[in-house]
Amino acid sequence: AQSVAQPEDQVNVAEGNPLTVKCTYSVSGNPYLFWYVQYPNRGLQFLLKYITGDNLVKGSYGFEAEFNKSQTSFHLKKPSALVSDSALYFCAVRPGYSSASKIIFGSGTRLSIRP
Amino acid sequence: NAGVTQTPKFRVLKTGQSMTLLCAQDMNHEYMYWYRQDPGMGLRLIHYSVGEGTTAKGEVPDGYNVSRLKKQNFLLGLESAAPSQTSVYFCASSDGPPGQYFGPGTRLTVT
Repeated sequence: AQSVAQPEDQVNVAEGNPLTVKCTYSVSGNPYLFWYVQYPNRGLQFLLKYITGDNLVKGSYGFEAEFNKSQTSFHLKKPSALVSDSALYFCAVRPGYSSASKIIFGSGTRLSIRP
Repeated sequence: NAGVTQTPKFRVLKTGQSMTLLCAQDMNHEYMYWYRQDPGMGLRLIHYSVGEGTTAKGEVPDGYNVSRLKKQNFLLGLESAAPSQTSVYFCASSDGPPGQYFGPGTRLTVT
């Protein structure tokens, strides 16, 4: 079965430290990969995507993610966390062969940045 | 350019009541989607549309109906609400894979 896993329900990081939010996937074909952020009482906002090309993708708000095909991972990273980064983060994947409907979301990881 | 908007933002229904959620987008996108978000489960696709006049079932379509009479609008209907439909509902649109733009959400409580 095709799936996306975010193994950590919550990640706690001190402001100024690097952060990583993990995502692994299991899909057929070459996937399209996404990260979204959700602030309280708001919809999801697109952060970044990987389609093809360079494995390191840079996105909004200083975030980046690295596509690792051998480990089937797409971890979200930021070199220096801000308190304002505290939010719910979703990884999503679309199998490369599928239509626009087949986007699978992970269960989400709550990122908490302490001052 | 408002992006994706949803009406209403909040609603409380009694079991058995009906209601319609409206999603509107002003980006001329072909694809529109309805998701529900429940704690610990991420987003699950209810129904989607690949163009005006078309609809299709997603992962969890039971108890919901949709219509896409105009390209910019995608309606989600609950004919007989049940407590299991208590959730936050998100609409999204896209101009083709990949990537989607999300609305702000509708929080629905069914008592």
